[in-house]
Amino acid sequence: QVQLVESGGGLVKPGGSLRLSCAASGFTFSDYYMSWIRQAPGKGLEWVSYISSSSSYTNYADSVKGRFTISRDNAKNSLYLQMNSLRAEDTAVYYCARDGVVAATTLFDYWGQGTLVTVSS
Amino acid sequence: QSALTQPASVSGSPGQSITISCTGTSSDVGSYNLVSWYQQHPGKAPKLMIYEVSKRPSGVSNRFSGSKSGNTASLTISGLQAEDEADYYCCSYAGSSTFGVFGGGTKLTVL
Repeated sequence: QVQLVESGGGLVKPGGSLRLSCAASGFTFSDYYMSWIRQAPGKGLEWVSYISSSSSYTNYADSVKGRFTISRDNAKNSLYLQMNSLRAEDTAVYYCARDGVVAATTLFDYWGQGTLVTVSS
Repeated sequence: QSALTQPASVSGSPGQSITISCTGTSSDVGSYNLVSWYQQHPGKAPKLMIYEVSKRPSGVSNRFSGSKSGNTASLTISGLQAEDEADYYCCSYAGSSTFGVFGGGTKLTVL
């Protein structure tokens, strides 16, 4: 069965950095586009970033562009999100989610359980 | 402010039907048949309920259906059950630059 397991969340000071990981299993990871989606406490969902199956294409929400970097290691079936210059407004549960095969289409058919990132002094 | 507009809350009694609207623009909902709907129970990850406007993933009850007219998409749940009580989010593809936009979410209460 498809499983996505995030890790790496925690408490970080404003301006700090954090690297999230997402371990995938139960499907051919290298075939799929993958996304990070976040949810601030008590708020709605916000798409953050996606990466193509071969890492050729990436895209970012304006709110994180220039501060966050998405990457993947298909040999390790893993997705990453490097988050720099963190701000209080980045506080959220971060989910990794599987998207399409041919393209990123916002068809997020599997989600991880999420990892909480708290940015506070 | 979310890119797509949903009602904050809807309610219905067991057995009834409800519809949740999701209003976007000609740049997202109105331009692409790539609207999806997600169900989220408290403390849980979202679950895909509808994709490409009206398609249901395997395992999702046929009580859930989706449609679209112009810039507004809709999710209808028929034969309401207690376990349907959850938050529901719509999402639309919005082009290669903006990519994905979500609605603010709708809290469904089963009375």
